[in-house]
Amino acid sequence: DIQMTQSPSTLSASVGDRVTISCRASQSIGTWLAWYQQKPGQAPKLLIYQASTLETGVPSRFSGSGSGTKFTLTISGLQPDDFATYHCQQYDNKWTFGQGTKVEF
Amino acid sequence: QVQLVESGGDLVKPGGSLRLSCAASGFMFSDSYMTWIRRAPGKGLEWVSYITPSGSLTSYADSVTGRFTVSRDNGRSSLYLRMDSLTADDTAVYYCARESRASGSLLGAFDIWGQGTMVTVSS
Repeated sequence: DIQMTQSPSTLSASVGDRVTISCRASQSIGTWLAWYQQKPGQAPKLLIYQASTLETGVPSRFSGSGSGTKFTLTISGLQPDDFATYHCQQYDNKWTFGQGTKVEF
Repeated sequence: QVQLVESGGDLVKPGGSLRLSCAASGFMFSDSYMTWIRRAPGKGLEWVSYITPSGSLTSYADSVTGRFTVSRDNGRSSLYLRMDSLTADDTAVYYCARESRASGSLLGAFDIWGQGTMVTVSS
């Protein structure tokens, strides 16, 4: 099975910061990668699919990049509503998620 | 309004069984590829099971194969997860979700999620 490793596990940031989260796959998955945002007590929300395509309605400060085994989620200008946990997910061979990255103040 | 609503979560003893339900509304459920995903306390998300629109094809994570069964009733716009031989490791919030599509092609990501239902396995 393909393993997904996110880093860091926790990230301390302030409003206005540029935030970068990394996700690495144990083998190449092309661009079959998605990113989700999850807040406590809520369901995950799809942000990006196919590594870099923004889901409809997601603010443009979110962007994704990468291919193969290395991927990045960037938040350009962190907003108060962005403090949450972010998950990456691969779908090249069944589906597996990273362990999550918590963005906190 | 597009939504998924899970139900059926409960406290159950080890070795017990439970059936989760997921009611869909606001979209063409009968054309949708559906999945169950869970999140254990303090852990990341874990894909559990998948079913095609007709129900003819299903797949499972290794951790639940042989114990969990996914099914659907398109007439009722409902998805189900039958869980047997439950252990403490199955304690989690269980979500149903729809696989997203664009121009008829599956994208492998999940664009509609329910709010989740809590399953606790404990004696």
